[in-house]
Formats: sequence, C-alpha cells, structure tokens
Amino acid sequence: QKEVEQNSGPLSVPEGAIASLNCTYSDRGSQSFFWYRQYSGKSPELIMSIYSNGDKEDGRFTAQLNKASQYVSLLIRDSQPSDSATYLCAVKGSGGSYIPTFGRGTSLIVHP
Amino acid sequence: DTEVTQTPKHLVMGMTNKKSLKCEQHMGHRAMYWYKQKAKKPPELMFVYSYEKLSINESVPSRFSPECPNSSLLNLHLHALQPEDSALYLCASSQSGTADYEQYFGPGTRLTVT
Repeated sequence: QKEVEQNSGPLSVPEGAIASLNCTYSDRGSQSFFWYRQYSGKSPELIMSIYSNGDKEDGRFTAQLNKASQYVSLLIRDSQPSDSATYLCAVKGSGGSYIPTFGRGTSLIVHP
Repeated sequence: DTEVTQTPKHLVMGMTNKKSLKCEQHMGHRAMYWYKQKAKKPPELMFVYSYEKLSINESVPSRFSPECPNSSLLNLHLHALQPEDSALYLCASSQSGTADYEQYFGPGTRLTVT
C-alpha cells in the first residue's frame, strides 16, 4: 500500500513569515512529486512539481525533495493571508504508475 | 492554457433521477480522470481514461457510468444515486497516461443527492 503522509494542521503562521509544509511517502521508487493548493470549496490547483533531488523555486514557492529520506516539502516565503488554504502533496510511484497518491493535506492559516 | 472545464457547477438530484456531469479540455491531453472528494478528504480516484479507453475503474458502483466520446470530452452518467454520493466531483487531465505528467483539475461539480 503506497502511503503519503502529511500533518493535517492547521499550521498557523503570521503574515510575512515562511510557511514550511512537509510530506513523507512510503514507496521508495516514487519518481514524481506535486504540490496542489486547494481553497475551501474549490478544486485543487497545481502549484509545483519536482522530479529530482534538491530545490526547485518558483516565485515565493520552493519545493524540496530528498528521495533518500523519502520526504518532499514546500516552503512559502513572505506568506500572505491569500495563501490560507489546504496544501495537498501528491506522489507518483514507480513502475510506470501514472496515478498519483494524495496525502490528506495540510491546512495553512496565514494571519495578518 | 491549462484549463479544464466542468458543467454544471452545482447539481441537486433525487435518488431516482438520471443526470450527467460533463468535462472538457482542449490541451491535447490524452488521459482524463474522474475523482470524488468529500469534505476534508483528499480526492479519491474513480475512473481513468487513457487514449479514450477506460483503463482504470476503482471498483466504483454501477450507478456511476463514465463515457469518453472523444479525446476532449469526458462524461459521468449518474443514476439512482444515494445521499452518501453527495460530494465534489472533479475531472482532471494530463498530457499522457503513461508518463510523469502533471494533472490539471477542473473546477468541479458540487453534487447533492436528496
């Protein structure tokens, strides 16, 4: 059974701070990793994908992948109240599996 | 453009009704998906179409019937649903069903079964 674990939160950070969201996965052969943002009542929106060990930056977002430790994280710099949402981690496994396994999501609250 | 559209946005139906959800993408994606999402839960995969053929059915009850008329369209036909089927139904697409491409979600249909 492939598992993707996230702390459900809520993670509360002040405006302007760095929010750090973490995700661990069980399938050591996983190849592809995705972060989605989901506002309450809305659909998931893809914000980052990462495939190789290390950091990938896109604006205020940085995804970090460590395959040896089987974790992927998302850093949000200069957090804004509009970043308040649930962040879903999704992992695609090995063997050509193209169906992502989703974590339960971490609720982020950015307070002014 | 990474747009997936879904209609209707909201649907209320009785347990004896028949209705359909529609999904469309014009990105040339060859894999399309139906997910069901309950409040505070992750999306739950229902069906996958790859190159217009049903490739995955996650043991979904027969009251849900998917259809892929062409590479851009995906339908979900609903019949004799139960109140517990009330949820957000999400359509997604990806460039290919056999490689590591991102999935893009539509806005969803909020379904209420009365």
